[in-house]
Amino acid sequence: NAGVTQTPKFRVLKTGQSMTLLCAQDMNHEYMYWYRQDPGMGLRLIHYSVGEGTTAKGEVPDGYNVSRLKKQNFLLGLESAAPSQTSVYFCASSYSVGEQYFGPGTRLTVT
Amino acid sequence: GDSVTQMEGPVTLSEEACLTINCTYTATGYPSLFWYVQYPGEGLQLLLKATKADDKGSNKGFEATYRKETTSFHLEKGSVQVSDSAVYFCALRGQTGANNLFFGTGTRLTVIP
Repeated sequence: NAGVTQTPKFRVLKTGQSMTLLCAQDMNHEYMYWYRQDPGMGLRLIHYSVGEGTTAKGEVPDGYNVSRLKKQNFLLGLESAAPSQTSVYFCASSYSVGEQYFGPGTRLTVT
Repeated sequence: GDSVTQMEGPVTLSEEACLTINCTYTATGYPSLFWYVQYPGEGLQLLLKATKADDKGSNKGFEATYRKETTSFHLEKGSVQVSDSAVYFCALRGQTGANNLFFGTGTRLTVIP
């Protein structure tokens, strides 16, 4: 039982490049979330999903897109990376109203 | 909107010292309150929670009491250990939205032997 896993762990992008972050969970959770963590700002919700095929915007969705084609996977895409997207990205999952389980994070640097 | 204000750090304590990290919140209705801990290089883990007024959450020697009259959920531990060194986040889940959490800015605790 791996819990929540994230791929990759680290990535460096140039401005304008695109990439996809993958989150996978093996707990059969309905809900999944993407957060970003920046110094002095805690975690902020980017997008979330309440089930396969559904997504919704969080607090800071601009510049990101997401997809939930399979229940166990939640993808976060950056179509044209900007330096302001340099951050640590965390994925989490939960049953409908319950504890959120977090992945280990992806550290992204955009130069 | 819902928000959490958390004591800024960093906090440095000697082993066996007492710890208090302050957390206050703003929310409509009756939110649930949480403390998460992040150890170096890892994701966040739930430390404790409280879902209604006057509830006390506890785990690993840490405690926090949901005080609606002061809108607070302060984290306390009577005797910290070196292994408690981590970043601590206070969070709330409002009554609207899909189980979304609102986090404080985090407090880094370092415990020295």
